[in-house]
Amino acid sequence: LAKTTQPISMDSYEGQEVNITCSHNNIATNDYITWYQQFPSQGPRFIIQGYKTKVTNEVASLFIPADRKSSTLSLPRVSLSDTAVYYCLVGVMNTGFQKLVFGTGTRLLVSP
Amino acid sequence: DAGVTQSPTHLIKTRGQHVTLRCSPISGHKSVSWYQQVLGQGPQFIFQYYEKEERGRGNFPDRFSARQFPNYSSELNVNALLLGDSALYLCASSWQGASNQPQHFGDGTRLSIL
Repeated sequence: LAKTTQPISMDSYEGQEVNITCSHNNIATNDYITWYQQFPSQGPRFIIQGYKTKVTNEVASLFIPADRKSSTLSLPRVSLSDTAVYYCLVGVMNTGFQKLVFGTGTRLLVSP
Repeated sequence: DAGVTQSPTHLIKTRGQHVTLRCSPISGHKSVSWYQQVLGQGPQFIFQYYEKEERGRGNFPDRFSARQFPNYSSELNVNALLLGDSALYLCASSWQGASNQPQHFGDGTRLSIL
């Protein structure tokens, strides 16, 4: 079972780039890495997903080294509204089902 | 397009009672998963259903059960409620529940046990 480890909290200021690193040492060959964002009293919101190298979308980039034992979520020029909990997940796929294993996440606080 | 919808949004029950939570997936999604999120922790996997069949079960007691209907909506049932069942219950849907298909979450049902 692939477990993830990420910092408990991070602080940043508006306009800065934020990089959150997650380690997943026992990731399986067919597992994808997914990041979610969660605001209080809301469900997690999908941010980005990747398998290897680099993935970029309109809100974030995901960097995955060749050994895939870690990944880094990069949020360019954060704003106050990016204050949230960010979860790194590795999808555990076994005989055709998907079980997301959430850790405690990284609590990002963006200040003015 | 409508996202994942859950009902009710809030619910208060007493110990020993039974509760049914409902979820409607995104149109076209055939897989539904349920998660329990206790305050201050990440969501914990309870069940996954795909094409009306249970595909996965987390470490929850038999008091928890679920089912998926022909229209792919789902119900989560919890019997003999305990104080520790107080949590945010989240439903997520994806097309087929595969690892490379992102799950889309609803905003949950907040269950409080008195």
